[in-house]
Amino acid sequence: SAVISQKPSRDICQRGTSLTIQCQVDSQVTMMFWYRQQPGQSLTLIATANQGSEATYESGFVIDKFPISRPNLTFSTLTVSNMSPEDSSIYLCSVVSWGKNTEAFFGQGTRLTVV
Amino acid sequence: DQQVKQNSPSLSVQEGRISILNCDYTNSMFDYFLWYKKYPAEGPTFLISISSIKDKNEDGRFTVFLNKSAKHLSLHIVPSQPGDSAVYFCAASAGNNDMRFGAGTRLTVKP
Repeated sequence: SAVISQKPSRDICQRGTSLTIQCQVDSQVTMMFWYRQQPGQSLTLIATANQGSEATYESGFVIDKFPISRPNLTFSTLTVSNMSPEDSSIYLCSVVSWGKNTEAFFGQGTRLTVV
Repeated sequence: DQQVKQNSPSLSVQEGRISILNCDYTNSMFDYFLWYKKYPAEGPTFLISISSIKDKNEDGRFTVFLNKSAKHLSLHIVPSQPGDSAVYFCAASAGNNDMRFGAGTRLTVKP
């Protein structure tokens, strides 16, 4: 299992500013995933963050808007840049334990409101 | 491209009755499926999973059924309890790459 500490848990931000979300895992993991859940929508994968290389972004998400850092095997940050109200969402980081019993573990989530 | 679909945004059942949550997928490469439960202000938590080599997995009150030919899985909760009220996400993975989630179904169990 893995325990993920994510912060902040929530924030209200002004349009045009940026917010950095942090995730700390209690064990070393190769891949970390960042998701977004907009109201009434699915958990949408933003990007996969590997330590020592650039993050891999899904279609519709770009590095300039969502820069990701992965300085070591237990930590990652996601920045939501130049925010607009459309970025209001819940952002979640996740790690997956692959194997016979594959399971994903999530942080508590960051509820972002852009005004 | 929504590879995992949960077409019912909400479901309401009476306490003690069965809750059935449905999920469809389009990617035939998916070989592992999971259900997650999410309470407000918390991250999703793992509930139950099933490998594509099985068609049923049971854990207490929770049973997941997989129909590969129909690309459909369902979660049965029997008997349903008020504490089961939450949003349930279906997820699928293909190998050790990533995990795709459905939109979620909000289950309300009425006392």
